[in-house]
Amino acid sequence: GAVVSQHPSWVICKSGTSVKIECRSLDFQATTMFWYRQFPKQSLMLMATSNEGSKATYEQGVEKDKFLINHASLTLSTLTVTSAHPEDSSFYICSASGNRPGEQYFGPGTRLTVT
Amino acid sequence: DAKTTQPPSMDCAEGRAANLPCNHSTISGNEYVYWYRQIHSQGPQYIIHGLKNNETNEMASLIITEDRKSSTLILPHATLRDTAVYYCIVRSGGSQGNLIFGKGTKLSVKP
Repeated sequence: GAVVSQHPSWVICKSGTSVKIECRSLDFQATTMFWYRQFPKQSLMLMATSNEGSKATYEQGVEKDKFLINHASLTLSTLTVTSAHPEDSSFYICSASGNRPGEQYFGPGTRLTVT
Repeated sequence: DAKTTQPPSMDCAEGRAANLPCNHSTISGNEYVYWYRQIHSQGPQYIIHGLKNNETNEMASLIITEDRKSSTLILPHATLRDTAVYYCIVRSGGSQGNLIFGKGTKLSVKP
């Protein structure tokens, strides 16, 4: 199956700093990428949807100025957590859809810890 | 997309078949049943999907009832590495939209 990578796999940062997470589709062109967040013992919650070359669509309650998403190419999307706070500590997971209807592939996730 | 209902947890002995049920009584005609699993601290992994016929691949089998209101994911010979949370998701076949994850079933495979 198709492969999606994320970098870094884990990151620790200080409160107030910004962190960028990359999501890449390695062997297919991702027309749409999704960013999810997962808190301990909870399910995945969609944060935003991004289409290549256009602005991301954020879910209700997700601050677009805090979670900056860029989808500049068909193989790369980035999520930047700006002015991170301890409550932003979570497991961030991206997924990507290609041209085949219904297919969606997930990255391995990025564990963010804000101290 | 239709809502699904799954038991919160199940146990299975290693080497035995694991049968994970899912109810989706409000499924509509163009909606597929997808199964994903998430091993601890990893991203979700696609397992299988189907519309109305039973499906089988190298990972699992999917049995969908004739009325399509429920389905069962079967792992024929569960191993310890199959311990994970299994998510049953219903979605339009042509959809390129996001997957909506419920709480899933925590499957524990025991030696």
